[in-house]
Amino acid sequence: QQQVKQSPQSLIVQKGGISIINCAYENTAFDYFPWYQQFPGKGPALLIAIRPDVSEKKEGRFTISFNKSAKQFSLHIMDSQPGDSATYFCAASMRRYGGATNKLIFGTGTLLAVQP
Amino acid sequence: DADVTQTPRNRITKTGKRIMLECSQTKGHDRMYWYRQDPGLGLRLIYYSFDVKDINKGEISDGYSVSRQAQAKFSLSLESAIPNQTALYFCATSDWWNNQPQHFGDGTRLSIL
Repeated sequence: QQQVKQSPQSLIVQKGGISIINCAYENTAFDYFPWYQQFPGKGPALLIAIRPDVSEKKEGRFTISFNKSAKQFSLHIMDSQPGDSATYFCAASMRRYGGATNKLIFGTGTLLAVQP
Repeated sequence: DADVTQTPRNRITKTGKRIMLECSQTKGHDRMYWYRQDPGLGLRLIYYSFDVKDINKGEISDGYSVSRQAQAKFSLSLESAIPNQTALYFCATSDWWNNQPQHFGDGTRLSIL
């Protein structure tokens, strides 16, 4: 019940195309869903995050779509660029703010390659 | 300069050795975390600390210990390293009001032979 399942494991997209990465979760108590971007040799960087009270959040070319009833959320990268080539991790947790940390459960990652 | 600095960046050692990985940050954050990354498993929380006097176990703390020497420093120790602790280790920080990691270091690649 604590798992976050991420797919696909790897993805190849042409420059200018749309990259879509999907995640599914089981625990309905999760209320914070971030995405992290990781370049080779670097640590993950928080890219965008969403709370379940909205169905979509957009920041530039990056959009999170959230389907609470299906317990799924996805990252869409519009107009994908070679510089977007990285590993992307979804994650989920409960109660982002507060005194006690709630374990952030990470997906297994998606290696995105955007071909020029 | 990096906001979250991990040392060493790479380390190869032998089974049974004691290893210390260090993390320092200049972001002024109270909260610090240690994660482990393994291929196909994502990142898993080892320990976290909300301030100098607060240390908490994470998901996979067995075989590890930590020390919060100051607000800016959080070290991870492997008392007696074993090969299945070979992994990429990340330190992370967050603001006092945020109990999830925001800023990660660039990692320490640890190989235990």
